[in-house]
Amino acid sequence: EPEVTQTPSHQVTQMGQEVILRCVPISNHLYFYWYRQILGQKVEFLVSFYNNEISEKSEIFDDQFSVERPDGSNFTLKIRSTKLEDSAMYFCASSAGQGSDQPQHFGDGTRLSIL
Amino acid sequence: SQKIEQNSEALNIQEGKTATLTCNYTNYSPAYLQWYRQDPGRGPVFLLLIRENEKEKRKERLKVTFDTTLKQSLFHITASQPADSATYLCALPRDNYGQNFVFGPGTRLSVLP
Repeated sequence: EPEVTQTPSHQVTQMGQEVILRCVPISNHLYFYWYRQILGQKVEFLVSFYNNEISEKSEIFDDQFSVERPDGSNFTLKIRSTKLEDSAMYFCASSAGQGSDQPQHFGDGTRLSIL
Repeated sequence: SQKIEQNSEALNIQEGKTATLTCNYTNYSPAYLQWYRQDPGRGPVFLLLIRENEKEKRKERLKVTFDTTLKQSLFHITASQPADSATYLCALPRDNYGQNFVFGPGTRLSVLP
């Protein structure tokens, strides 16, 4: 069964540094998402992306964050200047259709640790 | 935006019994609701979607109900097995536009042999 893959599985970065998290969504999916999960807390929506632009973002997704689909297969999340509170699991997801009636397929996440 | 509560942080049941997990929401009634399973260190995995005009949905040993009057969904696992031990999350549209969803805090289910 096709799956969403994320790299790296664990990223350790110094505070203030830029970090790029990478995702390869399922190949025929058109809608892409990033979520984060702080340890012990719920999964939180960050951003959705379709047709090379952001379709919706949450209040968490401030100017420090950006997303990009640099080619036909990758989808990236960049955090420009990391803060300690950015430490979390970051999940990428994709779906075939748009809307909250569409199942989303998640990767296994990147654990981001900010020192 | 939607607020979601799930019945308890943790639920322990004996193997073979039926597990019942609750998802309550407080604002507008969504047109659909989804349930996901999350294992430690893994991403959520989609299980079932139920629409507001469906009272019940089944998939193998799983059953979901949706009561828009009570603003509640129940998730049942019958004949539970230790392999069913995981955290179960419900997800609803973030707002009336329904483009993306918000997850509940989850219930951690432990099925004891």
